[in-house]
Amino acid sequence: QVQLQESGPGLVKPSETLSLTCAVSGYSISSGYYWGWIRQPPGKGLEWIGSIYHSGSTYYNPSLKSRVTISVDTSKNQFSLKLSSVTAADTAVYYCASSIAAAGTFQHWGQGTLVTVSS
Amino acid sequence: DIQMTQSPSTLSASVGDRVTITCRASQSISSWLAWYQQKPGKAPKLLIYKASSLESGVPSRFSGSGSGTEFTLTISSLQPDDFATYYCQQYNSYAAFGQGTKVEIK
Repeated sequence: QVQLQESGPGLVKPSETLSLTCAVSGYSISSGYYWGWIRQPPGKGLEWIGSIYHSGSTYYNPSLKSRVTISVDTSKNQFSLKLSSVTAADTAVYYCASSIAAAGTFQHWGQGTLVTVSS
Repeated sequence: DIQMTQSPSTLSASVGDRVTITCRASQSISSWLAWYQQKPGKAPKLLIYKASSLESGVPSRFSGSGSGTEFTLTISSLQPDDFATYYCQQYNSYAAFGQGTKVEIK
């Protein structure tokens, strides 16, 4: 059973970089799957941020591409998200999830972590 | 970018009702469409993939149909556990979600 758990600061200042990590258990990242980040502003819908394969190949939402970096650490069985130059519009619940393809459905999800951008 | 539009935004229904939610894509996505259910404070749960394939463990009262640009999610007989928000997602080109349809108690 694949399990995912997000971690990171719950409060980030405007213009700074948001950093989150997703720890994967019950499955080796190196075995396959794509690993993605999705966010949801309070009371709003879902937005795909990007995904990564264990090889390091990345796929980003064009609307966020200039600010996003997703990386993978197979030795720790985790992957990470960095979003730079954040504003209040980046306040959201951030989810990590697994997918069988770079453009695919998301089968397993973390519980989500709320990140608030505020000074 | 492919835009996904759901209708209605909110749907009021009673237990036992047949419920249909529509999702339209701004361009053809073949059958690369999924449906998710989300309850307050929880992560989304995959219900249907490839427009009409039921994810393992999902009750058979859920069904999906469509191809190209128009898709529907149908709940044949609404149960108390089904009151939630439903999202469609295209995965023909990267990933994009609809804005959601909230199914509430009438």
